[in-house]
Amino acid sequence: GAGVSQSPSNKVTEKGKDVELRCDPISGHTALYWYRQSLGQGLEFLIYFQGNSAPDKSGLPSDRFSAERTGGSVSTLTIQRTQQEDSAVYLCASTPRRGKDGYTFGSGTRLTVV
Amino acid sequence: AQTVTQSQPEMSVQEAETVTLSCTYDTSESDYYLFWYKQPPSRQMILVIRQEAYKQQNATENRFSVNFQKAAKSFSLKISDSQLGDAAMYFCAYRPNNDMRFGAGTRLTVKP
Repeated sequence: GAGVSQSPSNKVTEKGKDVELRCDPISGHTALYWYRQSLGQGLEFLIYFQGNSAPDKSGLPSDRFSAERTGGSVSTLTIQRTQQEDSAVYLCASTPRRGKDGYTFGSGTRLTVV
Repeated sequence: AQTVTQSQPEMSVQEAETVTLSCTYDTSESDYYLFWYKQPPSRQMILVIRQEAYKQQNATENRFSVNFQKAAKSFSLKISDSQLGDAAMYFCAYRPNNDMRFGAGTRLTVKP
């Protein structure tokens, strides 16, 4: 596609429920990143995928968070047993390759846990 | 540890005036890239300008320019002739290899 697409745009869920957030990167971009942005804060790195290599999961805050990337394209971030502190904007970004390029970001998913 | 610090949580500028946003970073790398991103209320992160660490010349993109001081590990953004549409959160970012690290951001207000 023309840009990085994220869905849903907004998600409200009850505490304890599981949620799935989707990211569709730019076609041909081999690197994909997930970041979390809490209200008024900077971006917190969560996870990074590069081609078929094992993902860098070093930023995932707990084992309730997981992500996968199927076929080197679409990625899904899953949060199990959501907590109120999970409320944030989840941003996805992609780049053409490993290296020094800037990221192209999606518009994010605003997750609200009530 | 590699960190990015933006010491100004909020800044304000009069329309048509010039404003400078500060950014410092900590690294032991010699080759890396630095970025400034703009995030308006729409949440979309927009790349404003990019600087390659091995280049001494400061990057410029129209009204946006940087003052890159490698030895001081400083990377400030200057916005000239500020416009109302420049109002947003601005994030400084550092990228040595794979992932990018962001500062906490500076909220810029433009007064008409």
